[in-house]
Amino acid sequence: QVHLVESGGGVVQAGRSLRLSCAASGLIFSAAGMHWVRQAPGRGLEWVVFISNSGSDIYYADSVKGRFTISRDNSKNTLSLQMDSLRAEDTALYYCAKDKGVRFIDYWGQGTLVTVSS
Amino acid sequence: EIVLTQSPATLSLSPGERATLSCRASQSVGSYLAWYQQKPGQAPRPLIYDASSRATGIPARFSGSGSGTDFTLTISSLEPEDFAIYYCQQRSIWPLTFGGGTKVEIK
Repeated sequence: QVHLVESGGGVVQAGRSLRLSCAASGLIFSAAGMHWVRQAPGRGLEWVVFISNSGSDIYYADSVKGRFTISRDNSKNTLSLQMDSLRAEDTALYYCAKDKGVRFIDYWGQGTLVTVSS
Repeated sequence: EIVLTQSPATLSLSPGERATLSCRASQSVGSYLAWYQQKPGQAPRPLIYDASSRATGIPARFSGSGSGTDFTLTISSLEPEDFAIYYCQQRSIWPLTFGGGTKVEIK
């Protein structure tokens, strides 16, 4: 049973930083590409970033490029998202998600809420 | 960036009725389209991959079709648990993109 648990969300002022983590279990983490997807309150889904299983390939949405950095520690089954220069429009529920292997998502965490106050 | 446009925004139907949801891409995505279901307070759940392949455990009343730029998700006979928001997603090129969603509500 794949289990993804996000943490690190909270309220932060615009311009500051926050680091999200995702603890993965029930899967061979080192074989899985991973995503972060976000959802602003009452809005739709927005893909944020992908990292390949080895960390060698990374793709960002334009809206976060240069401000967010994804990383992973395969020895600890952990995915991270460093978010710098946060803006009010980054306010959202951030989901950690496992890639099915072909850039679709087959497992999602329950999300961690990030609120950026201006 | 490929823009996915879902229609209608809201679909009001009764249990037992057939639901037909549309997803149109701004350029061809081949068959590289997925559908997800999301209920209030829950994470999305995968339904369909590669336009027409059901995900594990998804009932046969859910079916997907289409290729290129026009795709359809059909729910043959709505069950009470099917009232939710449905999103399409393309994996043809980066960045991955989602449609804006279709809410299927009880009439």
